[in-house]
Amino acid sequence: QKEVEQDPGPLSVPEGAIVSLNCTYSNSAFQYFMWYRQYSRKGPELLMYTYSSGNKEDGRFTAQVDKSSKYISLFIRDSQPSDSATYLCAMSGTLGQGAQKLVFGQGTRLTINP
Amino acid sequence: EAGVAQSPRYKIIEKRQSVAFWCNPISGHATLYWYQQILGQGPKLLIQFQNNGVVDDSQLPKDRFSAERLKGVDSTLKIQPAKLEDSAVYLCASSLARTVKTQYFGPGTRLLVL
Repeated sequence: QKEVEQDPGPLSVPEGAIVSLNCTYSNSAFQYFMWYRQYSRKGPELLMYTYSSGNKEDGRFTAQVDKSSKYISLFIRDSQPSDSATYLCAMSGTLGQGAQKLVFGQGTRLTINP
Repeated sequence: EAGVAQSPRYKIIEKRQSVAFWCNPISGHATLYWYQQILGQGPKLLIQFQNNGVVDDSQLPKDRFSAERLKGVDSTLKIQPAKLEDSAVYLCASSLARTVKTQYFGPGTRLLVL
């Protein structure tokens, strides 16, 4: 079983729709939960970062974490064509020496159609 | 602030040849990471440096991959000899501290092994 599971899609929705992206995980030691956006032929860029269970909002984006179910979500409201990208969930636990290690999901390829 | 720089951007080699990738992190960033991203998958951590010391290289195939970070700044990742399954994007990232939320990615080097 993979530590982090993410539906690869692809997901295609019309402009203005609400998008829901999800990941599940198996390692209860994960403490930090992130969503990255990756445009084609670019490196991932951090979108949202959460530490505890609950919701965190940033503009049109809302990240949700449910540690009891080991489930995280990213919601995009009023989706725009510029949101078309691959969305990666990532989680971190602590290595030795206090360092942290990111474990990524497979990524969901999202297309917003004008 | 300049981002993480990587070169070359693209490389095509034949199996059993050797190849090297270079990364220049953001100025002042002590932690440097190399990831492998196979098409359709999320990035997988290969090696993490703190200054010029290795923090984690548990997923680095050490029979063929090597990495160094001289003087705690630039880093090179080498593959020798390359296999077909090494075809991937190699991403370099850096962070100011060992907290993953401050990790910034470079554009990656796309490697194709024929």
